[in-house]
Amino acid sequence: EAQVTQNPRYLITVTGKKLTVTCSQNMNHEYMSWYRQDPGLGLRQIYYSMNVEVTDKGDVPEGYKVSRKEKRNFPLILESPSPNQTSLYFCASSFGTGGEEETQYFGPGTRLLVL
Amino acid sequence: GIQVEQSPPDLILQEGANSTLRCNFSDSVNNLQWFHQNPWGQLINLFYIPSGTKQNGRLSATTVATERYSLLYISSSQTTDSGVYFCAVEAPWGDDKIIFGKGTRLHILP
Repeated sequence: EAQVTQNPRYLITVTGKKLTVTCSQNMNHEYMSWYRQDPGLGLRQIYYSMNVEVTDKGDVPEGYKVSRKEKRNFPLILESPSPNQTSLYFCASSFGTGGEEETQYFGPGTRLLVL
Repeated sequence: GIQVEQSPPDLILQEGANSTLRCNFSDSVNNLQWFHQNPWGQLINLFYIPSGTKQNGRLSATTVATERYSLLYISSSQTTDSGVYFCAVEAPWGDDKIIFGKGTRLHILP
């Protein structure tokens, strides 16, 4: 089954404790992206990647890191989480090569609470 | 940067009614997509529609790129249509960023 998976789905942590949220897709997509969703703000892009070893900042990259060492994986790293990073996080992917290939497919979301 | 505004922010309708959701954007865009987020939080793509009109069952969408807006039509609403509808655009500046609107929350009453 074609899908985007994220782990963990739910996470409660404390300020300053490094964490990683994994994202994996099995559709051979070039483009992968991370978003955060907050009430009243919609989805905001954190980082995106057009291909292996190519990453770029979205609108809200502060406090986050990403890496793209393999085509299928795009982990989101919070080196020192803070309470303002409490949010619902989505990973998405697409072929990213133009036209209908730009259609994004989303993972199920990761709900993060930073105390 | 490019601004994306959706209206109305909230909509409550009786089952069977029709609705029109609007997405305005402040600049030319490379692509535009509509998504539905169901009450369980899952995001599903509905349409990839940078211009023109598409239909999929009871849903259709029209984008008029020259006037910088897109419309999503839902006919004969069902309770399963409830949720939040987002439009998202990619700016034509070559940086591949995706900008989402804040969404329209739709509640269909049985």
